[in-house]
This record gives sequence, structure tokens and C-alpha cells, in this order.
Amino acid sequence: DTGVSQDPRHKITKRGQNVTFRCDPISEHNRLYWYRQTLGQGPEFLTYFQNEAQLEKSRLLSDRFSAERPKGSFSTLEIQRTEQGDSAMYLCASSLNRGAEAFFGQGTRLTVV
Amino acid sequence: AQTVTQSQPEMSVQEAETVTLSCTYDTSESDYYLFWYKQPPSRQMILVIRQEAYKQQNATENRFSVNFQKAAKSFSLKISDSQLGDAAMYFCASENQAGTALIFGKGTTLSVSS
Repeated sequence: DTGVSQDPRHKITKRGQNVTFRCDPISEHNRLYWYRQTLGQGPEFLTYFQNEAQLEKSRLLSDRFSAERPKGSFSTLEIQRTEQGDSAMYLCASSLNRGAEAFFGQGTRLTVV
Repeated sequence: AQTVTQSQPEMSVQEAETVTLSCTYDTSESDYYLFWYKQPPSRQMILVIRQEAYKQQNATENRFSVNFQKAAKSFSLKISDSQLGDAAMYFCASENQAGTALIFGKGTTLSVSS
């Protein structure tokens, strides 16, 4: 297994457009997380999946954001009607159990112009 | 809400020297997990060290060790024999009660000089 992969690595979009990011976790990991990180800050939690169920969402996740994990495998994060404030690095991570190491992808850097 | 505080935005150390990065956290739980993650420039975040709160013994991983003071809610990271490859941003994190998220501090940027 090559670890957690995210696609695309970089995305530049115009304000108001929709964007979708993909995350492929480590195959045996049933726990999947999305975080957002702005420059010089720590990652902020967005949402958590256990298998295909989205069990927790941060208040940061406005109604313009939606995430899915069909069949408990890969996950997608969609942002509708992007705003300049959405510009950030979006990180995906996966883990096996509570308290276990979370493995992070390299992230998708979103720039909204 | 859980919080994690890293009070040192930047630290510097010379090669082969020792440096300690500070972290305090706030939780009402008795059973929890604490982590230090390293994020090199333009590279993905990786785990440095992990501590289970119910274990009294401080975790160690080669040149990395922690000073876990549960009563004081302090969790500092000591890097011994610093190497150029240790230069990175270091994040302290605690897992939330439900185990569904990591709460990160703002990070400490560590620079290593030769």
C-alpha cells in the first residue's frame, strides 16, 4: 500500500465555481478524516467517516461543503460556490482504530481567485 | 471544547544539540491520546510520537521523547542530537473524546543550523 493519496494536488478555481477533491485512504483503514489547513496554522477538523457513515461534522463545514465515502472506500469532498476564504490546503487522513496513528495524504491546495 | 496550545511559534537548534518543544492541552477526559506530528516543508504530515494518557511512562522513539505531565496537562517533545532533517513544523495534537478527530495546536516551526 502506498499510503493515503489525494487528487488533485493543486486546484485553482474562480470564485463561485464548484470543486471536488478525492482521497484514497489506506485500504484496511475504516476511519477517514478531512482537515483544512491555512498557511502557518494547524489543521482544523472538517469531517469524519467510519466506513461509509459520516459520523461527525465540524461547524466549519458550511452547507456549501459536502463529503461522501461510498462503500467505505475512497472519499470525496465537494465545495460549492467557492469563496476566496475557502483557499487552503485540504488534508485527508485515515487510521485503523481510536488512538492509532493517523496517516495523512499530501493534501490538495485550493486557490480561489 | 478541547484545546491544544503551542506557545512557541518558532524554535531553533544547532545540529547535535537538544531542543524541547512545549505543548499544553485541555481535556476533561481521563483516557485520551496525545500526539506529536511533523510536517516538513511541502511534504505530508507524519507521526513523530504517541502517548496514551493512562500510561505513566513517557513515550520514546529513538531521538524523540516526551515529558508527559498529566496533572499539569503538559506534553512537551524533546529532540536529542538534532539533525538537519528535523527541520519542520511540529504539531501537538490530542484526540477528541469520541475518537473522531484530532485537535491540533498552531504548530512550532523548528529550524536546525549546522
